[in-house]
Amino acid sequence: KAGVTQTPRYLIKTRGQQVTLSCSPISGHRSVSWYQQTPGQGLQFLFEYFSETQRNKGNFPGRFSGRQFSNSRSEMNVSTLELGDSALYLCASSWLDGGKETQYFGPGTRLLVL
Amino acid sequence: GQQVMQIPQYQHVQEGEDFTTYCNSSTTLSNIQWYKQRPGGHPVFLIQLVKSGEVKKQKRLTFQFGEAKKNSSLHITATQTTDVGTYFCAGPIRGANNLFFGTGTRLTVIP
Repeated sequence: KAGVTQTPRYLIKTRGQQVTLSCSPISGHRSVSWYQQTPGQGLQFLFEYFSETQRNKGNFPGRFSGRQFSNSRSEMNVSTLELGDSALYLCASSWLDGGKETQYFGPGTRLLVL
Repeated sequence: GQQVMQIPQYQHVQEGEDFTTYCNSSTTLSNIQWYKQRPGGHPVFLIQLVKSGEVKKQKRLTFQFGEAKKNSSLHITATQTTDVGTYFCAGPIRGANNLFFGTGTRLTVIP
């Protein structure tokens, strides 16, 4: 069974631009979560989608948004990029409940904002 | 707010030495998970503990969940260079369906 895939793997943007990242979960997984990882803040939860609905949201500004499609694939969008948005963005999928089950992480998208 | 702290933040050991990382939560956890992230890689699930006082072993790795379900530990016996990476504990975010990750312990093994 294929693992979680994320595209693109690397991205360079400039301040003020927007970016869209994509995540395809493991087949059959319905819960998709997004995390931001930085050296200073560690792994921080962004949001979780389940059955095309945002079920949980972390403490991030409204510039960070996401959605999930009927096939469970998910996208996250960051508008008006800031230098501090430079990070590794990780997507993780699980069957139903990311808090109770194993989360399978994708390789991540490394975003650099100049 | 909910916090999960890990100590130490960094650990350098000689190959063959033992290693332990400790995870402490500000709140009681229904379960705790451990992940390993190799340099340049992504977190990979190691194990989940659910019961109070639970101890699980995976070869040279021993995981323990505290009686109060607020702390946990990971002990590696006779470290090898393949053990290099950052070890994270994670617990469910209260009232949510997702995980709150600890600060991580970065392990370096010197050959």
